Amino acid sequence: GAGVSQSPSNKVTEKGKDVELRCDPISGHTALYWYRQSLGQGLEFLIYFQGNSAPDKSGLPSDRFSAERTGGSVSTLTIQRTQQEDSAVYLCASSLTGSLNTEAFFGQGTRLTVV
Amino acid sequence: DAKTTQPNSMESNEEEPVHLPCNHSTISGTDYIHWYRQLPSQGPEYVIHGLTSNVNNRMASLAIAEDRKSSTLILHRATLRDAAVYYCIPMEYGNKLVFGAGTILRVKS
Repeated sequence: GAGVSQSPSNKVTEKGKDVELRCDPISGHTALYWYRQSLGQGLEFLIYFQGNSAPDKSGLPSDRFSAERTGGSVSTLTIQRTQQEDSAVYLCASSLTGSLNTEAFFGQGTRLTVV
Repeated sequence: DAKTTQPNSMESNEEEPVHLPCNHSTISGTDYIHWYRQLPSQGPEYVIHGLTSNVNNRMASLAIAEDRKSSTLILHRATLRDAAVYYCIPMEYGNKLVFGAGTILRVKS
């Protein structure tokens, strides 16, 4: 596709359940980011994948959060035992590094509601 | 990561120029200065970036101070669609993109 694709666009889950959020970056982009944005708040960095390097997980809020990126392309963010405070919009972005054009392109996000 | 200081909010009239300042006094010599914006209910979008020289593109201009400790994003003619949160982000090539609080720009018709 032409842009970063995220699925699902909306997810409602019960407290305590696990959820998986998917991000399809732009083809060829080596960098991939996950962010979280709670209602009315700023963008909270979660995790950063860059090529084959070990991911920068410094923003993950707890060990209930994990992410993987398979084959350098699709990424999945997993939240285990969801809590109500996990309710937020989860945004994915990708960028083409290896050049000076490091513009990051964002997906439309997944709105997660934990009830 | 370099620390940034931006006004919490600014207001502009439609069709007038807007100058959005950013202080980044701890910027390193290899940090590019990136600007992104986030329109209401949307993901962020790239606006412009530069290293030392002033930069222009179809969306905006970026004026970078000679000592690189500050920069100004210039919207030449603000429209209602430009109402957004604007983020100034010094970032070293290959490093992660981290957003601060940004400046809320309100545009009055």
